[in-house]
Amino acid sequence: GENVEQHPSTLSVQEGDSAVIKCTYSDSASNYFPWYKQELGKGPQLIIDIRSNVGEKKDQRIAVTLNKTAKHFSLHITETQPEDSAVYFCAARTTDSWGKLQFGAGTQVVVTP
Amino acid sequence: EPEVTQTPSHQVTQMGQEVILRCVPISNHLYFYWYRQILGQKVEFLVSFYNNEISEKSEIFDDQFSVERPDGSNFTLKIRSTKLEDSAMYFCASRSGDLTDTQYFGPGTRLTVL
Repeated sequence: GENVEQHPSTLSVQEGDSAVIKCTYSDSASNYFPWYKQELGKGPQLIIDIRSNVGEKKDQRIAVTLNKTAKHFSLHITETQPEDSAVYFCAARTTDSWGKLQFGAGTQVVVTP
Repeated sequence: EPEVTQTPSHQVTQMGQEVILRCVPISNHLYFYWYRQILGQKVEFLVSFYNNEISEKSEIFDDQFSVERPDGSNFTLKIRSTKLEDSAMYFCASRSGDLTDTQYFGPGTRLTVL
């Protein structure tokens, strides 16, 4: 089955700097890769996603890149703000599933003013 | 904005007791999911549900677990005889249909088994 690895487990950045989180996946049949943000005591909230037919997607300060050959995808947050502090999860879904998401272990991002 | 809701927010139970976790998915969504997150670990898939039946389940989802959509709005997860290792955050999620990928998650129910 699919296995998703996520690095780093914690990331501390100065406000205004960029943050990058990387994930790798094992199943070449995976075709959908969402990123979720989880704040303390809340459920995961989708922040951006990408499908396998696209190499990059941007939404304001957030971008995701996908390298299908290497089977890895990354989340980029530019101009970080204190409200970006949260746990970020990457996930992958294979084409033959009913939508089952396999999650990475999560990255605790701390943005210091 | 429509959202997935879950009740209760926190459930404490004794080992061996049955619990039912409740979810109200987003109206008109067709696919429903349960995930769990043991403290400090990754979010794990439990089960997906479509057209009133289980479409996919993980190895975690054994005979102690069941899901049901008893009416047009609720989606429940039942654990028949809880174990200490069932203590976790349980998330419900829903997806609108075949042409969409996005799963919307609820706020979760924290289950504590004593």
